[in-house]
Amino acid sequence: GQQLNQSPQSMFIQEGEDVSMNCTSSSIFNTWLWYKQDPGEGPVLLIALYKAGELTSNGRLTAQFGITRKDSFLNISASIPSDVGIYFCAGRPAGNKLTFGGGTRVLVKP
Amino acid sequence: DTAVSQTPKYLVTQMGNDKSIKCEQNLGHDTMYWYKQDSKKFLKIMFSYNNKELIINETVPNRFSPKSPDKAHLNLHINSLELGDSAVYFCASSQAIWGGKQETQYFGPGTRLLVL
Repeated sequence: GQQLNQSPQSMFIQEGEDVSMNCTSSSIFNTWLWYKQDPGEGPVLLIALYKAGELTSNGRLTAQFGITRKDSFLNISASIPSDVGIYFCAGRPAGNKLTFGGGTRVLVKP
Repeated sequence: DTAVSQTPKYLVTQMGNDKSIKCEQNLGHDTMYWYKQDSKKFLKIMFSYNNKELIINETVPNRFSPKSPDKAHLNLHINSLELGDSAVYFCASSQAIWGGKQETQYFGPGTRLLVL
């Protein structure tokens, strides 16, 4: 099946910083979705992307559907403490099911 | 009002027991899913139903049996529970199984299953 690699696996943020994470796939995807999961909760949809090159923002979050259709990135600008959580990318190749990346754990710098 | 709801939120049970988890969505969606999230937080699809019809059935032990009485409900019954079944189980729904925005999935709050 298709592979979906999400990086980094974890990151520390300091309030005010901009951070970025990305996902790459071994095949061409038609859809990229970004979710955030808070402890004890289900994943919540942040941004959905449906066209190559599409750049979409949701508040301080910006995500892009890579032009090759094999990658996507998510940027968080001006981090705040409540940005802590696990961020998942999910992608779907044509005619196949949605696949999730392994998640990026965002933690606060001690 | 909660869009995708699951019951129970927590389930602690003994090995060998049979248990069910229920899911309901009030979004008017046609497609529903069950996912398993392991201790490393990896999300893996188990089943998908579209209009009460089984569409996706991943390599899941046949001790797991989904049932969709109607489009708004998808339940998961697990027979002869094993220690390795301990995980968080998420229900999700989407308007349709394919088709751009229609396939965007919305998740429930999860059921935390612990098998002792």
